[in-house]
Amino acid sequence: RKEVEQDPGPFNVPEGATVAFNCTYSNSASQSFFWYRQDCRKEPKLLMSVYSSGNEDGRFTAQLNRASQYISLLIRDSKLSDSATYLCVVIRGAGNMLTFGGGTRLMVKP
Amino acid sequence: EAGVTQSPTHLIKTRGQQATLRCSPISGHTSVYWYQQALGLGLQFLLWYDEGEERNRGNFPPRFSGRQFPNYSSELNVNALELEDSALYLCASSLWDRGYHEQYFGPGTRLTVT
Repeated sequence: RKEVEQDPGPFNVPEGATVAFNCTYSNSASQSFFWYRQDCRKEPKLLMSVYSSGNEDGRFTAQLNRASQYISLLIRDSKLSDSATYLCVVIRGAGNMLTFGGGTRLMVKP
Repeated sequence: EAGVTQSPTHLIKTRGQQATLRCSPISGHTSVYWYQQALGLGLQFLLWYDEGEERNRGNFPPRFSGRQFPNYSSELNVNALELEDSALYLCASSLWDRGYHEQYFGPGTRLTVT
């Protein structure tokens, strides 16, 4: 079983739709959680950190459920420019290295 | 503020050769991380350097090595190249003071081994 698992998609949604991605992690010692966004053939860019209390940044909301070991990302009012691959990222222990999920591809259509 | 820079953008080598990839972190960042993104395999952690020392390495053979210079820039060396080393190699930088800080990625070096 992979340490961080995501549905690869693609999720095809119309502009203006609300879409949600989930990500599960297997190591209960995981400490820090993030969502990164990666455009085709580009580097990953930090979208948001995920806190236990949940956090919101404009149209994006991230939630963490430690009991069930999953994190989620909700995108409201999808824009064409939201089309990308969304990477769930976990850190465990003091190693500081990021463990990436395989990514979920989102395609927003006009 | 300048972001993480990497060179070269593309690198083509033949099997058995050595490749050297370079990374300059964001000014003020002391930690540099290397990741490999091979087709269909996702991003895999390779190496972490901080203050000139290797702090951690991922599950890669010893022919993957590197170093960090006094100005915090870093080099990744891959010896005895194999076809499966073809991938996008990404460098990231962050602060590190016994706590985690967000990592910011460079544009990557695309290595092709023929």
